[in-house]
Amino acid sequence: AQTVTQSQPEMSVQEAETVTLSCTYDTSESDYYLFWYKQPPSRQMILVIRQEAYKQQNATENRFSVNFQKAAKSFSLKISDSQLGDAAMYFCAYRRRDKIIFGKGTRLHILP
Amino acid sequence: NAGVTQTPKFRILKIGQSMTLQCAQDMNHNYMYWYRQDPGMGLKLIYYSVGAGITDKGEVPNGYNVSRSTTEDFPLRLELAAPSQTSVYFCASRETATYEQYFGPGTRLTVT
Repeated sequence: AQTVTQSQPEMSVQEAETVTLSCTYDTSESDYYLFWYKQPPSRQMILVIRQEAYKQQNATENRFSVNFQKAAKSFSLKISDSQLGDAAMYFCAYRRRDKIIFGKGTRLHILP
Repeated sequence: NAGVTQTPKFRILKIGQSMTLQCAQDMNHNYMYWYRQDPGMGLKLIYYSVGAGITDKGEVPNGYNVSRSTTEDFPLRLELAAPSQTSVYFCASRETATYEQYFGPGTRLTVT
């Protein structure tokens, strides 16, 4: 069965600094997708970034980038120039065909 | 477009009562999903549908039922509510050929 593990329940970062959130996953498949979702206090789930497993190049979206290590089954999220609006729960997710499996999340605090 | 809508936003049920959580999307998406999010946890897939008339179980289907008679609607039925079903329920949809799931605002359900 596929599992997604986020080993950091909470993290804090100073505003304008860089922070990296960790995610590992377990799968025997070679074709899949990985995502990072953000959930602010409003509870709305917002897609931050996605990575296709067949692509070697790491995905980037503005201040957000990933470090995808397929052999190690690792998918970390780097947030550069952290802003107060980045404070939220961040969920790593794995998708294979029709199903998506979510990790337990990391709560990110931004310190002014 | 309203996107994905869910009703009600909040509900309190007594043990043994039944109810239906409504979910509708106006984006003509084939795929629809129901998740539950327990406090401090990630999302767990309850049921999903790949199109009208087709549904399948996710990770935690026990105690729930779904139907998909139209592309737009994907109601989730709780029969004989139990305290273990206290959670926030999210509905989501996506197009067949894309990656992003669009989430509804969630329904907070308390069973006492």
